[in-house]
Amino acid sequence: KAGVTQTPRYLIKTRGQQVTLSCSPISGHRSVSWYQQTPGQGLQFLFEYFSETQRNKGNFPGRFSGRQFSNSRSEMNVSTLELGDSALYLCASSLMGAKGNTIYFGEGSWLTVV
Amino acid sequence: DQQVKQNSPSLSVQEGRISILNCDYTNSMFDYFLWYKKYPAEGPTFLISISSIKDKNEDGRFTVFLNKSAKHLSLHIVPSQPGDSAVYFCAASVAGGFKTIFGAGTRLFVKA
Repeated sequence: KAGVTQTPRYLIKTRGQQVTLSCSPISGHRSVSWYQQTPGQGLQFLFEYFSETQRNKGNFPGRFSGRQFSNSRSEMNVSTLELGDSALYLCASSLMGAKGNTIYFGEGSWLTVV
Repeated sequence: DQQVKQNSPSLSVQEGRISILNCDYTNSMFDYFLWYKKYPAEGPTFLISISSIKDKNEDGRFTVFLNKSAKHLSLHIVPSQPGDSAVYFCAASVAGGFKTIFGAGTRLFVKA
C-alpha cells in the first residue's frame, strides 16, 4: 500500500510569492491534516480536512489555506510568502481523523523563502 | 498554549541500555496518545499508541506507559540501538477534535 505522497519535495520561493503544496493520502484514508515544522519547534497544526470540509484549523494567519478534493487529495496554499514561512510542511492522513485513529505522515515539502 | 510538553530537548543513552522518553499533557480530554520517530529530512514515522482506557501498551522493544492521574506518559525503548537515534515526538488527540497535537520533541542519541 503506497504511503502519503507529497509534492514537491523541495522548493525555493521569493518573498511575496505564493506557493501550492500537494498531498495524496494513503488509499482509503479520507482525513488529511497539514503541519508546519520549523527549526527548534514541534509540529504545528495547520488544518484538517475530511470529505472536502475543513473540520479544524490551527492558529495561522489567513495567508495559509487549504482544500481537499473529492478523491481525498489535498492542497495547501501560502500566499504573500514571508521569510518566516520557511519550514518543512508535512501532510498526514488517517481513516477518520484523530478520533482514536493514527495519522501517517508523508516525507514533507521543504519550503525555503528568500 | 502548549498542551503537550516534552521537557527534555535531548537524551543520551548507551547502546543496550533502556531509553526513557517523557511527555506531559494538560488537557484531561485527551483520549489517544501516540509516539513518532523522526529522522532528518524525513517525515515522522508512527511508533506506538495507547488509548486512555489502558495504562500500558507494548510492541517489541517499545513500551508506552500512561499515567492519567499525573497526565504523564513515557516511552521505553529496551534495548536501545544506535539506529534509534532520532527525534521522538509525543502526540495526543481528543475524540471529535479532529486534530493531533504534538510536543516539541526529544532528540535521542544512542552511543555505540
